[in-house]
Amino acid sequence: QKEVEQDPGPLSVPEGAIVSLNCTYSNSAFQYFMWYRQYSRKGPELLMYTYSSGNKEDGRFTAQVDKSSKYISLFIRDSQPSDSATYLCAMLNTGTASKLTFGTGTRLQVTL
Amino acid sequence: NAGVTQTPKFRVLKTGQSMTLLCAQDMNHEYMYWYRQDPGMGLRLIHYSVGEGTTAKGEVPDGYNVSRLKKQNFLLGLESAAPSQTSVYFCASSQGGSGANVLTFGAGSRLTVL
Repeated sequence: QKEVEQDPGPLSVPEGAIVSLNCTYSNSAFQYFMWYRQYSRKGPELLMYTYSSGNKEDGRFTAQVDKSSKYISLFIRDSQPSDSATYLCAMLNTGTASKLTFGTGTRLQVTL
Repeated sequence: NAGVTQTPKFRVLKTGQSMTLLCAQDMNHEYMYWYRQDPGMGLRLIHYSVGEGTTAKGEVPDGYNVSRLKKQNFLLGLESAAPSQTSVYFCASSQGGSGANVLTFGAGSRLTVL
């Protein structure tokens, strides 16, 4: 079993929809939880990160962490065609020389 | 303000050939990483470095070697390429240390081994 599980999609939604992207994990030592966005044929770029449990909001994006359930989510409000990309969750146990563990990514397509 | 630059962007090799991928960062980051990305497998760590002159093995190091002779550069070598090494390779760097360890990625190098 992988340490981090993520549904690969693809997920197709109409413009303006609320998108929910999720990851589950098995390692209770993870402390930082991140979301990276990767456009086609580009490198991943950090969207946002949270430390431990709770919510964090940045514009149309909200990240949630539920450590008791080992479940993290990224919500995108008022989705736009420019949000079409692959979204990778990543997690960090600070005791592992700062090595991130990535999910496989969910491909999102926002249609007009 | 280039960030992380990878060269070459594309390369086609024959089985058994060797090559080196170069990664350069201009952010004075301590940590550097090489990942490979394959469909359905996500990003897998090959090797990483926590400072000039240091290297360490990641999740999938076999068939690859690395060197970090200068702080700004991290080289990934394939001594005898195999078709299983066909992949997209990403270099990343970070400040490292405690905290979130935010990675900055390069644009990727697409390698095909025939």
